[in-house]
Amino acid sequence: RKEVEQDPGPFNVPEGATVAFNCTYSNSASQSFFWYRQDCRKEPKLLMSVYSSGNEDGRFTAQLNRASQYISLLIRDSKLSDSATYLCAVNSAGTASKLTFGTGTRLQVTL
Amino acid sequence: DAEITQSPRHKITETGRQVTLACHQTWNHNNMFWYRQDLGHGLRLIHYSYGVQDTNKGEVSDGYSVSRSNTEDLPLTLESAASSQTSVYFCASSPNLGEKLFFGSGTQLSVL
Repeated sequence: RKEVEQDPGPFNVPEGATVAFNCTYSNSASQSFFWYRQDCRKEPKLLMSVYSSGNEDGRFTAQLNRASQYISLLIRDSKLSDSATYLCAVNSAGTASKLTFGTGTRLQVTL
Repeated sequence: DAEITQSPRHKITETGRQVTLACHQTWNHNNMFWYRQDLGHGLRLIHYSYGVQDTNKGEVSDGYSVSRSNTEDLPLTLESAASSQTSVYFCASSPNLGEKLFFGSGTQLSVL
């Protein structure tokens, strides 16, 4: 089983829709969780950290479910500019600063 | 503004040649990382460093080496380039353990 797994998609949604992605992780001792956004051929950029109590940043909501070992990202009122690949990242076993990335979920928002 | 820069942005080389990719950050971060990104595999960790003179192997370290002689730089060397090392390489840094990574803009390497 991979350490971090994501559905590669693509998720094709119309503008204004709500879309959610999940990311599962295998190490129950993981402590740090992040969502990154990556545009084609560009570097990943931090979208948001994921906190135990869940957190929101505008149209984006991130949640952590430790019991089932997954994190989620919810995007409300999708914009064309949200089209990108969303990567989840989880700190590796035993080393807090070594992040393991999922392969990413591709989102395409259409008119 | 502080930043992390990679050079070159694009590189074409031949199999068997030694290649060095540069990574320089001005944030004074202790932690630096090299990843490669390939279709179907996502970002995979090659090497990382937690400070000067510290280097560690990641999950795909064979054929690569790094050195950390100062805080700002972590050059990645391909000792004898192979076609399987054709990839996009990203350098990243973070200030403290467990914190988010900041990425450079990447180097597209083609080994012919």
